Amino acid sequence: DTEVTQTPKHLVMGMTNKKSLKCEQHMGHRAMYWYKQKAKKPPELMFVYSYEKLSINESVPSRFSPECPNSSLLNLHLHALQPEDSALYLCASSQEVRVQPQHFGDGTRLSIL
Amino acid sequence: DQQVKQNSPSLSVQEGRISILNCDYTNSMFDYFLWYKKYPAEGPTFLISISSIKDKNEDGRFTVFLNKSAKHLSLHIVPSQPGDSAVYFCAASETPGTYKYIFGTGTRLKVLA
Repeated sequence: DTEVTQTPKHLVMGMTNKKSLKCEQHMGHRAMYWYKQKAKKPPELMFVYSYEKLSINESVPSRFSPECPNSSLLNLHLHALQPEDSALYLCASSQEVRVQPQHFGDGTRLSIL
Repeated sequence: DQQVKQNSPSLSVQEGRISILNCDYTNSMFDYFLWYKKYPAEGPTFLISISSIKDKNEDGRFTVFLNKSAKHLSLHIVPSQPGDSAVYFCAASETPGTYKYIFGTGTRLKVLA
């Protein structure tokens, strides 16, 4: 069983919709991450939060908006997505940014119509 | 430019035999390496890691070898079990700033009963 929980597991949305992906961990980790994984490709880092503050944005388009309401939760707000944004979105956490490894959730499979 | 390469997209091994998965990297600044296993519809699961001050790290049936001069690492699984059938990703990062993992494209391992 994964200790990083992501909801929903699957999401289908239109290009004009607004939706959110959620990630939760109760391991006391203070670093949380969002990754995007396209089919047959490796995961690619999107955002890093450290102690609930955004520390890294890997030049992600503004239609993806991360939020860290508290140390256990990480959200990814989606708005006006494009079909090419269809992918598996993975959340991960680690004890701290400089303390590895990262532990991954099972991901949300996102399809944009 | 793929900084971490797994040149074998797939590998089949008989149960009980050794599985050897290989990974090459090009960035000499990488000094922390990890292996993750991924089952379908699940997120990557951390297996084992190694830092550049070591050339070998062992955990049960899993051993990772690092050859810094050749920029090569390998994962040995002995003995291989059918439950090991999955996609294996190697990942590398620099320290400091170990948050950013660069993943390889994965190797699909099939262990035949």
